[in-house]
Amino acid sequence: AQSVTQLDSQVPVFEEAPVELRCNYSSSVSVYLFWYVQYPNQGLQLLLKYLSGSTLVKGINGFEAEFNKSQTSFHLRKPSVHISDTAEYFCAVSDRDFGNEKLTFGTGTRLTIIP
Amino acid sequence: KAGVTQTPRYLIKTRGQQVTLSCSPISGHRSVSWYQQTPGQGLQFLFEYFSETQRNKGNFPGRFSGRQFSNSRSEMNVSTLELGDSALYLCASSFRWTEPSTDTQYFGPGTRLTVL
Repeated sequence: AQSVTQLDSQVPVFEEAPVELRCNYSSSVSVYLFWYVQYPNQGLQLLLKYLSGSTLVKGINGFEAEFNKSQTSFHLRKPSVHISDTAEYFCAVSDRDFGNEKLTFGTGTRLTIIP
Repeated sequence: KAGVTQTPRYLIKTRGQQVTLSCSPISGHRSVSWYQQTPGQGLQFLFEYFSETQRNKGNFPGRFSGRQFSNSRSEMNVSTLELGDSALYLCASSFRWTEPSTDTQYFGPGTRLTVL
C-alpha cells in the first residue's frame, strides 16, 4: 500500500520570499508523483508530475519539485511567491501499474502568502 | 477544449435519502475517477470507470456506487445518506495511461454535498 505524508499542514510565507512544501511517500513499488493545487471553491489543478528521467521537474506558475528516491521525497519549491499562490497544495502518488488510475493523496498544505 | 464538468455544484439532502451526482469528462477521455474530500479524511479514492466497467475501487461501503455510460459520462450514487457523507465529491478524467508521459487526470470543480 502507498502513503503520502505532507509534513506541514500550514505554511505562511511573505510575498516574494521562497517556499518549500514537503512531501514524503511510502510505497513498495515504483511510483509516479504529482503535485496538485486547489484554489478556494475549485477542483484540483495539476502543477507538475514526475514519471521518470530527470529528478528535477518544472511545472506551471514557476513551481518545481525534486524527486529524491533515497529519501522518498518529492518536495515542491518556488523561488519567489505571489499573493495568487495562496491555495492548498496536495502531493499525490500513483503506482507504476499500467492502467492504475488511483491517486493516493497527502493531507494537504495550506500556503498563505503574507503581503 | 471544455474541462470536466460536474452537476450539480451544490446539493443539500437529509439523512436516509439517496443522491446521484454526474460527471462529464473531457472530450476523448474514457476514464473517470471519483474522489471524496472531507476535512477529516482528506482526499480519498472512491472508484474508477473505464469503458463502462469499474476498474478500481477504494475502501468505501456498498452504499457508494457508480456507473459509466457509452459516452464516458459517469454518475455516482450514494444511498441511505449519513451525516458523514457530507463532502466535496470530485471527479477526474483521463485517457487512462495509454501514454503515461502525457496522460494526466484532470479534475472537475466538484459537487458539494451537505447531509442534514
